[in-house]
Formats: sequence, C-alpha cells, structure tokens
Amino acid sequence: DAGVIQSPRHEVTEMGQEVTLRCKPISGHNSLFWYRQTMMRGLELLIYFNNNVPIDDSGMPEDRFSAKMPNASFSTLKIQPSEPRDSAVYFCASSSRNRDTQNGYEQYFGPGTRLTVT
Amino acid sequence: AQKVTQAQTEISVVEKEDVTLDCVYETRDTTYYLFWYKQPPSGELVFLIRRNSFDEQNEISGRYSWNFQKSTSSFNFTITASQVVDSAVYFCALSEIGNQFYFGTGTSLTVIP
Repeated sequence: DAGVIQSPRHEVTEMGQEVTLRCKPISGHNSLFWYRQTMMRGLELLIYFNNNVPIDDSGMPEDRFSAKMPNASFSTLKIQPSEPRDSAVYFCASSSRNRDTQNGYEQYFGPGTRLTVT
Repeated sequence: AQKVTQAQTEISVVEKEDVTLDCVYETRDTTYYLFWYKQPPSGELVFLIRRNSFDEQNEISGRYSWNFQKSTSSFNFTITASQVVDSAVYFCALSEIGNQFYFGTGTSLTVIP
C-alpha cells in the first residue's frame, strides 16, 4: 500500500512568490494533519482535518497560510506571499480514529517537503 | 503546560550500551493513546508503537521495549544493546478524545561506535 504522498519533495522559491504544497493521505484515513519542522521551533502542528473539515487551525502562523481539503484523498497547504522565515520541512500526516471515542490512532507521515525561500 | 514532556534533549551512548528515553504525559482523559516515533537523519518520521491507556503491559520488540506506568504518567522507551543505526530523534506523542494529538519536543540520541 502506498503511504502518504507529498509533492514536491523540494521547493526553492523567492520571497513573495506563492507556494503550494500537496498531500495525498493513506486511503481510508479520515484525519489529515499538516506540520512544520525547523531546528528552532521543532515540530509544529499547523492545522488538522477530520473528514475533510478543518478542526483546528490555531497553529497556522498567519493569514499568509491557508489549507484546503476538497476531498478525502487530497489536501493543499498554500503560502502566499512566502517569506524567508517560512523555510522549513513541511510534513503531511494521516490517521484513522477510534470510532467510539474519536481518539486518533497513529499518524503516518509523508516524506516531507523541504521549502527554501530566498 | 506541556502535554508531553521529554526532558532529555540529547543523549549520547557508546554502542552496545542500553539507553532509556523518558516520556511524561498529562491528560484528564481516561481513554487515550500513547505513541513513539523515530526520526533518523534522513528525516522521515517513522511510527514505532501505540499503547492504549487501558493496557499497561510492557511491550518488547527485539531490542526495543516500552514501559507504560499510569501511576507516574510515564511511557518510557528502552533500547537494549544500542547500535549506530539507532541514532535518531525520538518523539513521544499523546492522542486524546476528539483526536487532539500532542508531540513532545523529542530526544536526540547519538550512538557512538
């Protein structure tokens, strides 16, 4: 079975440009998460979706960041305009949930997108 | 307050030594899950184990073992006879009711040959 797929794997762009990161979760998983990882701030949760609905976006840094999940098999994270401080590795992860308690089971991570904004 | 605390930021051991990575969590839920993840230098995050809050049995998988103690809210991870390939950052995580998911800040383990 394919794991979580992210594209692109690497992205280099100039400050002010729009960046779109893409994610395909594992089939059958109903929760999707976007994380950002930097040396300074570690692993940060940006936003997560349950059944394609955004549940908690309190980790999104500012209005320049937006995320969508138009269907169960695709999500995007967009940064517009990008800034050098957005340089990081962005991970997408997906999981299923306990049907009764809604506790999330283990998250499976994609390989990440390494974003460099110059 | 941190939901998941990994007090050890960095640990170095010599190959073949045993090493324990500590994880302390905080939750008011009676039903929750605990996890460990490994992030090797290549960067991917690899799921290692999930434990249910109702199951306090320790688990062993090869050189890896996990000790879950609800009385101390701890879920520690021991690597026996460490190897260079164990060098990685290890994350502990907690899942609460409603799919709130929390990661610790990670422990960087270096195994010296």
